[in-house]
Amino acid sequence: DIQMTQSPSSMSASLGDRVTITCQASQDIGNNLIWFQQKPGKSPRPMIYYATNLANGVPSRFSGSRSGSDYSLTISSLESEDMADYHCLQYKQYPPTFGAGTKLELK
Amino acid sequence: QVKLLQSGAALVKPGASVKMSCKASGYTFTDYWVSWVKQSHGKSLEWIGEIYPNSGATNFNEKFKGKATLTVDKSTSTAYMELSRLTSEDSAIYYCTRWSWELGYFDYWGQGVMVTVSS
Repeated sequence: DIQMTQSPSSMSASLGDRVTITCQASQDIGNNLIWFQQKPGKSPRPMIYYATNLANGVPSRFSGSRSGSDYSLTISSLESEDMADYHCLQYKQYPPTFGAGTKLELK
Repeated sequence: QVKLLQSGAALVKPGASVKMSCKASGYTFTDYWVSWVKQSHGKSLEWIGEIYPNSGATNFNEKFKGKATLTVDKSTSTAYMELSRLTSEDSAIYYCTRWSWELGYFDYWGQGVMVTVSS
């Protein structure tokens, strides 16, 4: 199975900060990566698909990028509603595998 | 509008089985793969498997073969997952989700089913 190493596992940031979360793939996954946001008691919400594309209804302060086997989710200016868990998912190869998640909290 | 409505929480004894449902509405049920995802310890997610309602074709994570059985009822647009020989490791929240090939991601999710395995 492809391993997705996600970092950090948790972080705290202030409103207005630029925040970056990263997933490193153990094998080539092309750009077949999705980022999800999950708030407490809620289902995951797709934010970025195919590594760099904004999903429907997602604010433009979210973006995705790739550098080699490293995939990043960036929030350009943190807002209070962005406090949540974030997960990456590769779907290049069966089985699809998730990163361990990042908990984003307010400093 | 598209909705995936899952069945309610379940408390089951070790060694027993549980069957949960995911009722789809607002789209043609047979046109989209439905996946099931496990969330343990409130954070980590695992893909269990998927089913294509039109044909009943399935794909599984090897880890869940023998544990999970996926079926559908096309007449009611409902997908089912049965988990067997339950242990405490199966206590988790289970989600169903739809794969949209037009968009290229899991676009709609059920609200989740909390399964607690306890004697």
